[in-house]
Amino acid sequence: QKEVEQNSGPLSVPEGAIASLNCTYSDRGSQSFFWYRQYSGKSPELIMFIYSNGDKEDGRFTAQLNKASQYVSLLIRDSQPSDSATYLCAVGPGTGNQFYFGTGTSLTVIP
Amino acid sequence: DADVTQTPRNRITKTGKRIMLECSQTKGHDRMYWYRQDPGLGLRLIYYSFDVKDINKGEISDGYSVSRQAQAKFSLSLESAIPNQTALYFCATSDLMSGSPPFFGPGTRLTVL
Repeated sequence: QKEVEQNSGPLSVPEGAIASLNCTYSDRGSQSFFWYRQYSGKSPELIMFIYSNGDKEDGRFTAQLNKASQYVSLLIRDSQPSDSATYLCAVGPGTGNQFYFGTGTSLTVIP
Repeated sequence: DADVTQTPRNRITKTGKRIMLECSQTKGHDRMYWYRQDPGLGLRLIYYSFDVKDINKGEISDGYSVSRQAQAKFSLSLESAIPNQTALYFCATSDLMSGSPPFFGPGTRLTVL
């Protein structure tokens, strides 16, 4: 079982819609949860982090964390074509004192 | 100037050659990491270092070695490159505080023929 699981997609949404990205993790000792955006050929860029159960909002982005279900999600409201990228979920540091990344979900926002 | 720099940005080499990838950072972070990224496999940790005297293997360290020359410099070596080491390599840094997220450099695209 992988440490962090994501649906690889591709996920397509029309411009202006809500994009929902999901992630599950296996290490219950994980303390920090991050979402990165990665454009093709570029490095991952941190866009959201969440440490406590519940929702955290930042502009058009909302991160949701449910530690009991070991589930993290990212909602992108009013999706724009510029949001088209791969979104990586990252979790850590857990019992191994490392960060683990999912394989990413490819999102395409259709104009 | 970029906070994390990697050199070279692109490299093509032949099987059996020794190659070094270098990483420098001006963020003042203590922790540094080397990841490789392959299509469908995501980011995998090769080595990480929490300070100059601390080096730790990640999940895929075989065939690689590292050197932490200073707080700001962390280099990755492939002693004898092989084609399945063809990948995108990222250096990352993070703050000493546990749970601080990794901040990534621009990456090095390595091709081993």
